[in-house]
Amino acid sequence: GEDVEQSLFLSVREGDSSVINCTYTDSSSTYLYWYKQEPGAGLQLLTYIFSNMDMKQDQRLTVLLNKKDKHLSLRIADTQTGDSAIYFCAERDSGSARQLTFGSGTQLTVLP
Amino acid sequence: ETGVTQTPRHLVMGMTNKKSLKCEQHLGHNAMYWYKQSAKKPLELMFVYNFKEQTENNSVPSRFSPECPNSSHLFLHLHTLQPEDSALYLCASSQGGAQTSGREHEQFFGPGTRLTVL
Repeated sequence: GEDVEQSLFLSVREGDSSVINCTYTDSSSTYLYWYKQEPGAGLQLLTYIFSNMDMKQDQRLTVLLNKKDKHLSLRIADTQTGDSAIYFCAERDSGSARQLTFGSGTQLTVLP
Repeated sequence: ETGVTQTPRHLVMGMTNKKSLKCEQHLGHNAMYWYKQSAKKPLELMFVYNFKEQTENNSVPSRFSPECPNSSHLFLHLHTLQPEDSALYLCASSQGGAQTSGREHEQFFGPGTRLTVL
């Protein structure tokens, strides 16, 4: 079955850039997503990228997709303390419009 | 306001209790989902409803029983749970038909119900 992997923890200093990485195994992935979960809250969609793109930028967020290596990254520029949260990578394959496969999440801690 | 609400936010129950989790979406979506989130594990999709019909059941034990009376409401009935069922249960909804493209597939999540089984 599909598998999505992320490292569990990342710490950065306020003002630095954060890069959260994700790898996936399903070569038929159509969309890849980044969700953010703050404490006590549900998941919030941050951004997504279609599989025929290799980069997408949205304000402080940059998503890079290397389809050959099945590697996705999320770069947060000028990281702020409010960015501290768990970030989930997810992929949707072409076979199902409904099912997303999520990674375990990366806990981002922003240090003052 | 995410548009998806869940009640209760916290629930503690014994193994012999029966309880229900409720989810309501105010977004006019036609698909709803139950996920289980355990610490340090990927989200596990439990059930999917599309236009009130269950379309996915990912090998969930029968002690979890979903109900979708209409496109806006989704319940998860709990009975004879085990301590390992303690987790955050998330509800989500999305727009779109059987095969979607664009942003119709985007899932909007509720805040979750933190369930503890004693």
